[in-house]
Amino acid sequence: DSGVTQTPKHLITATGQRVTLRCSPRSGDLSVYWYQQSLDQGLQFLIQYYNGEERAKGNILERFSAQQFPDLHSELNLSSLELGDSALYFCASSVAASASEQYFGPGTRLTVT
Amino acid sequence: GNSVTQMEGPVTLSEEAFLTINCTYTATGYPSLFWYVQYPGEGLQLLLKATKADDKGSNKGFEATYRKETTSFHLEKGSVQVSDSAVYFCALSSRMDSSYKLIFGSGTRLLVRP
Repeated sequence: DSGVTQTPKHLITATGQRVTLRCSPRSGDLSVYWYQQSLDQGLQFLIQYYNGEERAKGNILERFSAQQFPDLHSELNLSSLELGDSALYFCASSVAASASEQYFGPGTRLTVT
Repeated sequence: GNSVTQMEGPVTLSEEAFLTINCTYTATGYPSLFWYVQYPGEGLQLLLKATKADDKGSNKGFEATYRKETTSFHLEKGSVQVSDSAVYFCALSSRMDSSYKLIFGSGTRLLVRP
């Protein structure tokens, strides 16, 4: 158990809908990262937050957004969902913004039908 | 840009066999290197890491040595068990301004038969 929690575990929704994925980092970690794992693209970095502020952006679509709250939990919002958004979404956390060692949550499996 | 290349799977071995999963990387600077493992239905777990050239990371019988001259970080285990069946990901930390992101290889599935 990494100490990173994610909810929900599974999510099934229809095209065009909007969903929110939630992540709580390990106790003491200030940085949260979001990754997408899909069959065709593999594991890709989406976005990082550190202590409430956006720190770095990767291959995140404009339809997707994230935020980190004062209690350090983070939410990833996915809107206007398409079939191709079906994937596993992982959250990871680290102690500092520049820490290269990251600890992953169990993931949320999103299925868009 | 930075990238990681892993051998394609699946790798199928008998219990107690020797394991090697090849990983090579392309990077500017001196990234840290990692192996993560993903068991069925679970998230990624950090297996081992190395932060500079010639460092050897080890954990649970697995080892990998950071080879700068060959830009490699091959994963090895002397005697695999059925419980080692999982997908293994090689990764490097890529600097982004004042932060890091992990760049992953495509993963190698290992299946160990009793």
